[in-house]
Amino acid sequence: QVKLQQSGAELVKPGASVKLSCKTSGYTFSTSYMSWFKQIPGQSIEWIGMIYAGDGGTGYNQKFKGKATLTVDTSSSTAYMDLSSLTTEDSAVYFCAPITWWFAYWGQGTLVTVSS
Amino acid sequence: DVVLTQTPSILSATIGQSVSISCRSSQSLLDSDGNTYLYWFLQRPGQSPQRLIYLVSNLGSGVPNRFSGSGSGTDFTLKISGVEAEDLGVYYCMQATHAPHTFGAGTKLELK
Repeated sequence: QVKLQQSGAELVKPGASVKLSCKTSGYTFSTSYMSWFKQIPGQSIEWIGMIYAGDGGTGYNQKFKGKATLTVDTSSSTAYMDLSSLTTEDSAVYFCAPITWWFAYWGQGTLVTVSS
Repeated sequence: DVVLTQTPSILSATIGQSVSISCRSSQSLLDSDGNTYLYWFLQRPGQSPQRLIYLVSNLGSGVPNRFSGSGSGTDFTLKISGVEAEDLGVYYCMQATHAPHTFGAGTKLELK
C-alpha cells in the first residue's frame, strides 16, 4: 500500500536552512508528481509547489520561490524540500502528498520550529 | 490567486443532523480539459488532511457515503447526511485548476 514517511521535527535558528524528506513506498515514484504544503498551526493550508520525479521538473507558488527548493532521489523514492533563510514565519507543519490518486495520500507532516 | 470563500466558518451540529458547507471561488474552476479540480478534505486535530471528495463529486475510496459533493463553475457544496462523531474537525475545499493551488479558510464542525 502507499506510504509516505516524513522526516522528524526540526528546531532551527533564524537564518539557517533545513532539508525535509518524504520517503515513499507502494507506488511508482519515478513517474509521479509530488506536492508540498505548509500549515501554520490553527491556520489554513498553503500549496508550496510540486515536482515531477521523472525529470525533476518543478512548479512553485510564487510566494515560496526563493524560500523552498524541491528535489527528488528516484533511487530511494524520496522527495526533499529545502527551506532557506528561515524566519519565525516559516514555523509550521509541512506536508507532502502525491498528486496521483487525487491527493488521497498525505505524509504525517514535519513540524519546523524556527527559534533562537 | 484564486480565492475560495468557505461558509460557515463554524458549524455546530447534533449527531444525526444533516449539514452543508459552501465553497465559492473567485474564478471558474472548470479547466480547459473539461475537469473541475475541486477537492474536499477533513482535518482532525493533530492529523494530516484526509481527502473526502475529488473532482467536485467523486467520493474517495473508503469515505462513507453520507458525504457528497456537488456544484460547478464557482459554487460548490459539501453535504454530510447524518453527522457522526468521527466527522468532527475542520473541512477545507481546495482548487487545483489554477496555479497556485489554493485552499479555503476552513469550516470547523463541532458538536452542538
